[in-house]
Formats: sequence, structure tokens, C-alpha cells
Amino acid sequence: QKEVEQDPGPLSVPEGAIVSLNCTYSNSAFQYFMWYRQYSRKGPELLMYTYSSGNKEDGRFTAQVDKSSKYISLFIRDSQPSDSATYLCAIAQTGANNLFFGTGTRLTVIP
Amino acid sequence: EAGVVQSPRYKIIEKKQPVAFWCNPISGHNTLYWYLQNLGQGPELLIRYENEEAVDDSQLPKDRFSAERLKGVDSTLKIQPAELGDSAVYLCASSLQGGDMAFFGQGTRLTVV
Repeated sequence: QKEVEQDPGPLSVPEGAIVSLNCTYSNSAFQYFMWYRQYSRKGPELLMYTYSSGNKEDGRFTAQVDKSSKYISLFIRDSQPSDSATYLCAIAQTGANNLFFGTGTRLTVIP
Repeated sequence: EAGVVQSPRYKIIEKKQPVAFWCNPISGHNTLYWYLQNLGQGPELLIRYENEEAVDDSQLPKDRFSAERLKGVDSTLKIQPAELGDSAVYLCASSLQGGDMAFFGQGTRLTVV
């Protein structure tokens, strides 16, 4: 069983839609939760970082962590064609030293 | 401030040939990681360095893969000999020592033919 599970999609939405991306994990010891965005033929770019439970908002992006359900989410409001990318969730117990990544969800925002 | 720099960006080699990838981390980041990303998958850790010491190389296939970070700054990952199954993207990342966030380079896309 993988440490973190992520629906690979692909997911296609019209411009302006609200996008919800999700991951589940199995080990309650994980405390660090991240979302990376990866454009085609580029490296992953750190998008959102959350420690422990709760919500974190940055512009059109909101990261949500529910430790009781072992469920993490990324919401994108007013999605734009430039948001088209693969979104990877990542989790860790002790910071950046041992990151476990999901498989990534490929998102396409249609103009 | 420059990010993590990797070279080359792309490499095509024949199987059984050697290949090397180079990484220069963000200035001041003592921790350096090499990750492997297969198509349609998330990155998987190969090796982690704290300064010049490899502190986690449990996932590195040591029969053909080697890495070094001699002066605790830039690093080289080598494969010898390469196999068809090594075709993937090799990503380098860095973080502050004990830090929470890792920052990735653009990756080297290896194709073994």
C-alpha cells in the first residue's frame, strides 16, 4: 500500500470553474502536507505548504487538511488556462527529509 | 536568487553506456536530494545528502547508480551501465538543513535506447 493515494485524473474543467483535488494517506504520523504544481517538462514547483490540520489560503488557492480523515485537498477558485498542469500532493513526517508523493492529477482548464 | 540548477536538461544514450547528471542547489541549502520520476508517477527519493554525507541512500540501486557531493555543494548522479528501464526524469531538490520545504530543479530527462 502506498503512503499516499491520489486520483490521477485527467480532469478537465471550463475556465472559471472551482477545482477540487484530493489525496488520502494512511499513516497518522504525517504532519507536513504540500502541494506541488508541475508543468509539462518542468520540475515540481512548491505551491502550498501546511503543517498539521486546518486551511491555508493563498490567492485563488486553498489547501485543506483533515487529519481525522487522513484527507488533504487543494481548491482552485476561478480556474485559468494557466492552471493547466499536474498537481502533486506530498506528505512527510519530519519536514522535507522524507517526502512521499502522490501520482499527480493532470488538470486541464479549457478557455 | 537562482533556484536549483540541473544539467543537462535532456540526454539520450544507448543502453550499457554510462551517464552523469549534475545539480547545483539553492545557495545556503545544506540538504540535497535526488529523486526519480517515472512517467505518470510522483517523484521517488533516491538519495539524500546532509552537506557531503549521504544520510539516506536506501532507495539507490547501488549496483549501477552512484552519487557524490564532494564539497557539500553541487552533486553528481551517475548510472553505469544504463538500462532501458532507467528512462525517466531525474530531479534534484534542496532544502535548508532540517527544513520543511524542498525546492526542485527542472530535471534531466533521460532516454535510454
